[in-house]
Amino acid sequence: SAVISQKPSRDICQRGTSLTIQCQVDSQVTMMFWYRQQPGQSLTLIATANQGSEATYESGFVIDKFPISRPNLTFSTLTVSNMSPEDSSIYLCSVRTGLNTEAFFGQGTRLTVV
Amino acid sequence: GDSVTQMEGPVTLSEEAFLTINCTYTATGYPSLFWYVQYPGEGLQLLLKATKADDKGSNKGFEATYRKETTSFHLEKGSVQVSDSAVYFCALRMPLTTDSWGKLQFGAGTQVVVTP
Repeated sequence: SAVISQKPSRDICQRGTSLTIQCQVDSQVTMMFWYRQQPGQSLTLIATANQGSEATYESGFVIDKFPISRPNLTFSTLTVSNMSPEDSSIYLCSVRTGLNTEAFFGQGTRLTVV
Repeated sequence: GDSVTQMEGPVTLSEEAFLTINCTYTATGYPSLFWYVQYPGEGLQLLLKATKADDKGSNKGFEATYRKETTSFHLEKGSVQVSDSAVYFCALRMPLTTDSWGKLQFGAGTQVVVTP
């Protein structure tokens, strides 16, 4: 299993600003992912965070809006840039320890943009 | 593309009632199927899984059977408790290929409310 610490747990931000969310795992993991869960909705994959290279973004998500870093096998950050109220969501970090293993999720960051 | 459809909520039940949450999927291959649970204020936790047809996943009194013929993976529990109140997500993951990390595709989620 993997224990994921995600920070901050929640924040209220002004529109036009940026917020960086951190994801720390207690062990080295093969894959790290970032999801968005809009109010009352399911999870949508934003991107796969790749160690030492650019993240792989899903359709509808771009690096300028959601820059991602992954400097090593236990840590990643997601930045939500130039925020608007439509970015108000829960952002979740997820990891897998191997290719055919289950996914573990952090507790999420509840973001409100005002 | 691959997709998951699950019944809409909220589903409101009395304690000790029988719970069923329907989940059907569309996939071009043979996915693995999962149920995740999200308790209030928490992240998702894996509840159970099945990796091939006719497999039954079970955990904490919940069960789901992978039915290839009906492309379904319905979640059931015989006697729910107030502590089972949560949002339940059905998900699929296609086999890994050179082009795919085996991403999870989630259903919309079903909120379950169990009253004393």
